[in-house]
Amino acid sequence: QKEVEQNSGPLSVPEGAIASLNCTYSDRGSQSFFWYRQYSGKSPELIMFIYSNGDKEDGRFTAQLNKASQYVSLLIRDSQPSDSATYLCAVSSSLGGSQGNLIFGKGTKLSVKP
Amino acid sequence: KAGVTQTPRYLIKTRGQQVTLSCSPISGHRSVSWYQQTPGQGLQFLFEYFSETQRNKGNFPGRFSGRQFSNSRSEMNVSTLELGDSALYLCASSLGVWGQGASSVGQYFGPGTRLTVT
Repeated sequence: QKEVEQNSGPLSVPEGAIASLNCTYSDRGSQSFFWYRQYSGKSPELIMFIYSNGDKEDGRFTAQLNKASQYVSLLIRDSQPSDSATYLCAVSSSLGGSQGNLIFGKGTKLSVKP
Repeated sequence: KAGVTQTPRYLIKTRGQQVTLSCSPISGHRSVSWYQQTPGQGLQFLFEYFSETQRNKGNFPGRFSGRQFSNSRSEMNVSTLELGDSALYLCASSLGVWGQGASSVGQYFGPGTRLTVT
């Protein structure tokens, strides 16, 4: 059974701080890693993806991947109250065309306090 | 570009009935995936269709089925509904092919259909 584990939170950080969200996965054959943000009552929204070991930065977001440790993380710098949401880690065993069978973690709820 | 659309947005059904949900992907997307989201289990993959063929299937009973049409629109059907089928059903679309840059990456979700089984 392929599993993706996340701390459910809630993770509470003050405005302007760095929020660190973590995810581990069980399938060593996993190739593609995604972070989705889901606001309450809304559908998930893709914010980051990463394939290679190391860091990938996009604006205030940095995704980190360590395949040897089967670990993915998302850092949010200068956290804003609008970042308050549930963050879902998703993993696919496909690197190529088929990334349509994502395995999701249950999400970490982030709360950014003004 | 219009996003993923799903109809209906809300449904109330009785145990034993069947239901059909519809999804229209983003224009040009050929892959459509379906997920079930519940508070207890989170987001769980149901199946993926690409060019009218089921490409991947999750671990759900045969009561859950789907299909994709030549215009990439997809439907999923749940027969003999059970109380535990109450959930948010999300459809996601993607290009489904590799090598077309960042736009080929990742799935884009529709607003979902909230199904309540009584």
